[in-house]
Amino acid sequence: QTVVTQEPSFSVSPGGTVTLTCGLSSGSVSTRNYPSWYHQTPGQAPRTLIYNTNTRSSGVPDRFSGSILGNKAALTITGAQADDESHYYCVLYTGSGIYVFGGGTKLTVL
Amino acid sequence: QVQLVQSGTEVKTPGASVEVSCRASGYTFTTDYVHWVRQAPGQGLEWMGVINPPGKTTYYAQKFQGRLTVTRDTSTNTVYMELNTLRSDDTAIYYCASETPSTSFFKYWGQGTLVTVSS
Repeated sequence: QTVVTQEPSFSVSPGGTVTLTCGLSSGSVSTRNYPSWYHQTPGQAPRTLIYNTNTRSSGVPDRFSGSILGNKAALTITGAQADDESHYYCVLYTGSGIYVFGGGTKLTVL
Repeated sequence: QVQLVQSGTEVKTPGASVEVSCRASGYTFTTDYVHWVRQAPGQGLEWMGVINPPGKTTYYAQKFQGRLTVTRDTSTNTVYMELNTLRSDDTAIYYCASETPSTSFFKYWGQGTLVTVSS
């Protein structure tokens, strides 16, 4: 059973930069896993931030960026703002039509 | 305005089945894959399965094999998710999400449907 790993929590200061990661229990993440990132605030449906590793969804500010860092997918937020405080989830395509979510990262801005 | 509109809250007893529907509003998602994702109270998101545009191919997470059926009615632009033999730990918000072919991400999301399983 494939497990996708994310940091459970992270903290960043307003204006700071933070990088959240998304790993695979069975090896390295590559662009062929088509990493995508979503954020979710309480009581709301998730919203797409990044897809296909590094493509920003429509309307997403350019302070959000995606990449592959080492053997993981990464979401970097530069110039963090208070309303970036949210849960962030990555999803990886693992083949044969199957997708797996990471456990999510709770980002605190303080 | 593009929306995915889901059916309303459900309350079920253990062992029962539930069907949740998802239809597109403001666009036609007949060419899109439609995924189902759930979120138990206070927990993260969990991918359940997906159906292809013609409705002839489905893929399910191993955890739901044998209990989950996703179908689509192209004439009414609606996708259905049926989960059988419900247990209390199936209590969750269930979301549908659409994927434009060959993009491998969930572009539009439904508002979510709360399914409560309780005796």
